[in-house]
Amino acid sequence: GESVGLHLPTLSVQEGDNSIINCAYSNSASDYFIWYKQESGKGPQFIIDIRSNMDKRQGQRVTVLLNKTVKHLSLQIAATQPGDSAVYFCAENGGSNYKLTFGKGTLLTVNP
Amino acid sequence: DTAVSQTPKYLVTQMGNDKSIKCEQNLGHDTMYWYKQDSKKFLKIMFSYNNKELIINETVPNRFSPKSPDKAHLNLHINSLELGDSAVYFCASIGQNTDTQYFGPGTRLTVL
Repeated sequence: GESVGLHLPTLSVQEGDNSIINCAYSNSASDYFIWYKQESGKGPQFIIDIRSNMDKRQGQRVTVLLNKTVKHLSLQIAATQPGDSAVYFCAENGGSNYKLTFGKGTLLTVNP
Repeated sequence: DTAVSQTPKYLVTQMGNDKSIKCEQNLGHDTMYWYKQDSKKFLKIMFSYNNKELIINETVPNRFSPKSPDKAHLNLHINSLELGDSAVYFCASIGQNTDTQYFGPGTRLTVL
């Protein structure tokens, strides 16, 4: 079936380094992708999104890259801070206006 | 101001009991969701309502019954609770002209 998955379940980085979290998707009908951050004991929080007509989008310290050819999505966090420690999820809409399919999540740990 | 709120935050109950979780959003959104997050952090959609009408109903036991009294509220009632129902349940909502879902803080349900 269609799925969204992550290459690395855990990622540990030093404070100040750049982080890259990867995600593979398989539903070619997906035209909208989102990255969420979930801190311990909290709900997923929107970070950044991208539509399929784009290949790159930048926010504050975060960049999302979309490679439709290989169905790959990545989240880059610049100058990673301890407050960035969380589980990060990618999600795709599968072409639907209402339904998101979430990936497995990557636990990012930032060491001071 | 809380955008998507859920009550209670924690719920501990005995197997076989019936319990409800409530969700409210003050964002003026038309569509609301219930997700279940298991111990491995996997987020799976359960239900979705659009303007009080059920639009998504994943393969969920009929012991779970969502109720939407108005478009700002989506409650989840669970009958005959089982050990496997233990999880964190998240409510989310989405506006008519956006694809971004906003999540509540979650309700941690523990069935003993």
